Amino acid sequence: RKEVEQDPGPFNVPEGATVAFNCTYSNSASQSFFWYRQDCRKEPKLLMSVYSSGNEDGRFTAQLNRASQYISLLIRDSKLSDSATYLCVVNMAEYGNKLVFGAGTILRVKS
Amino acid sequence: DTAVSQTPKYLVTQMGNDKSIKCEQNLGHDTMYWYKQDSKKFLKIMFSYNNKELIINETVPNRFSPKSPDKAHLNLHINSLELGDSAVYFCASSLHHGLGEQYFGPGTRLTVT
Repeated sequence: RKEVEQDPGPFNVPEGATVAFNCTYSNSASQSFFWYRQDCRKEPKLLMSVYSSGNEDGRFTAQLNRASQYISLLIRDSKLSDSATYLCVVNMAEYGNKLVFGAGTILRVKS
Repeated sequence: DTAVSQTPKYLVTQMGNDKSIKCEQNLGHDTMYWYKQDSKKFLKIMFSYNNKELIINETVPNRFSPKSPDKAHLNLHINSLELGDSAVYFCASSLHHGLGEQYFGPGTRLTVT
C-alpha cells in the first residue's frame, strides 16, 4: 500500500461547481497533514494545513478523519484559476519528519 | 526578490557526465531540502539539511552528493549521470526541520541523453 494515495483524476468541472478530493494515508502515527497546489511546470505551493477539527480558508475546506486515515479538500465555487494539481501531503514524524507527497489529483475547471 | 532560487533552470547533458545544481534561500530558514519529481509526477524527498547538518538521507545512489556551505545554500552534485536521473529537481526550505510549510524553488529540469 502506498504511503499516501490520491485519485489522480482528472476532475473536469464547470466554473462555479463544488468539487471534493480525497486522500488516504497508511501510517496511523502521522501527525500533520497538508494540501499543496502545483501548477503545470511550476513548483508546489502550500495551499493549507489540515487540522483535526477541520479548517476553512475562503472557498477551500480541509478535513481530517484520523480513524479512517482520510483527508479531504473541498473547493466551492470553482474558478478557472483553480485548475492545477492538488497534492496531499503527510508529515512522517517517525521517519525524521519527512514530508510524503501523494501523486496528486488533477483539476480542470472549464468555462 | 526570489525566496528560494535554483540554477540552472534547465540542464541537458550526456550520460556519464558530472553536473551540479545550486540552491539559495533568502528567507532565513534553518532547513533546506532536495526533492526529485519524476515523469510520473511523484515528488520524493532526497535529502534535508538543518543548519548545514545532514538530517534526512533517503535511499539515493551515492552518485548524488549534497553540500551545504552555509544554511542559506544547499547544492546538489551528481556524478556519472544516468538516463534514469532525468527528472525535475526541486530545492525547498522551511523555518525549522520537519515543518510542513515548505517553500520550493522553481525547479531544475534535468535531461540526460
